[in-house]
Amino acid sequence: KAGVTQTPRYLIKTRGQQVTLSCSPISGHRSVSWYQQTPGQGLQFLFEYFSETQRNKGNFPGRFSGRQFSNSRSEMNVSTLELGDSALYLCASRSASGGKAGELFFGEGSRLTVL
Amino acid sequence: AQRVTQPEKLLSVFKGAPVELKCNYSYSGSPELFWYVQYSRQRLQLLLRHISRESIKGFTADLNKGETSFHLKKPFAQEEDSAMYYCALISVGSARQLTFGSGTQLTVLP
Repeated sequence: KAGVTQTPRYLIKTRGQQVTLSCSPISGHRSVSWYQQTPGQGLQFLFEYFSETQRNKGNFPGRFSGRQFSNSRSEMNVSTLELGDSALYLCASRSASGGKAGELFFGEGSRLTVL
Repeated sequence: AQRVTQPEKLLSVFKGAPVELKCNYSYSGSPELFWYVQYSRQRLQLLLRHISRESIKGFTADLNKGETSFHLKKPFAQEEDSAMYYCALISVGSARQLTFGSGTQLTVLP
């Protein structure tokens, strides 16, 4: 099985711009979650999508949004970028049912630098 | 609300020494807990889950409901154990939300 794939791997933006990140989950996984990882804050949950619906949401401002398509692929968007948005954005997919619900499969991440 | 606390951001031990990474949780129901690991330049991945009562790469973790802890232990640390470790808890409800701790960077010194 192919793993979780994230694109782009690296990107540089300037303040005020917006960015869209993409994630393709493992085949058969209907749940996709997004996390922000920074050295100071660790791993922070952004949101989770399941069958095209946002199921859980973290404590991030409305500038951060996401969506999921019928093929389970997901995108997240950050508008009006700020310097503090510089981070590694991780996508993870899971089976989201039964005993496998706790096992997340992570992508390599998209490293965003905001100048 | 569920919460996971890892009190140590950084932990250094010498090779061959025992290591314990602390994790405490707050959850009103019966928890399911996990340890995830991220080695340098690798993806974050599941290390072990308390339900399985397994030992992975020599690591074990016991759920202590009285102390609401799920500490990760290894009797003899190896240099290849150096990594970032995250403790995580999953809610029991239909949403099954996973909550991570802030992580502990373990460095095993030669």
